[in-house]
Amino acid sequence: DAKTTQPTSMDCAEGRAANLPCNHSTISGNEYVYWYRQIHSQGPQYIIHGLKNNETNEMASLIITEDRKSSTLILPHATLRDTAVYYCIVRVEGQGGSEKLVFGKGTKLTVNP
Amino acid sequence: EAQVTQNPRYLITVTGKKLTVTCSQNMNHEYMSWYRQDPGLGLRQIYYSMNVEVTDKGDVPEGYKVSRKEKRNFPLILESPSPNQTSLYFCASRRTGSLLGYTFGSGTRLTVV
Repeated sequence: DAKTTQPTSMDCAEGRAANLPCNHSTISGNEYVYWYRQIHSQGPQYIIHGLKNNETNEMASLIITEDRKSSTLILPHATLRDTAVYYCIVRVEGQGGSEKLVFGKGTKLTVNP
Repeated sequence: EAQVTQNPRYLITVTGKKLTVTCSQNMNHEYMSWYRQDPGLGLRQIYYSMNVEVTDKGDVPEGYKVSRKEKRNFPLILESPSPNQTSLYFCASRRTGSLLGYTFGSGTRLTVV
């Protein structure tokens, strides 16, 4: 049911940039891409979202390809506390304004010292 | 601090004993939702509410009830819990019309024996 595809796991050295890819080849023109992360069994945490332009906030940058079929989340200087499962999500809107987040399996990012 | 508060954090109960998991948000959000997370299945939506007195089923509503009598509260009710409802539960909220992501609670780990 998930509309996105992500690698199962990735490793990154502390202090280096972590680049997490996501494929969403069936995304519609007005659908946004959202990124969340979940540290251990805590509640998912919203990171960033985008439509077609690249976005940056205090947590990360989001690069979306021109055809919008894929995107990359960039954590510029990964720390040990960034170790988490990262979810790339296309927000699905239903009838009457309803919506839900369809979480796939995400990417388990491990930041190593 | 803007947050979604769930209680209890942990609960062990017996089959058939009615229980309620509370969820409260202090951000005046219209949209609230419940998810359950199970190994290998990811997060799945149980119920959602677009505003006071407006609720609807998500993907896995069987065995659950909800109510939305006040904007800030969205309790999840298990009338007759069964072992297959052992799971990690998350409540989430969002302002309708906002593109910002959801705010999730810290989770409730429920075990039904």
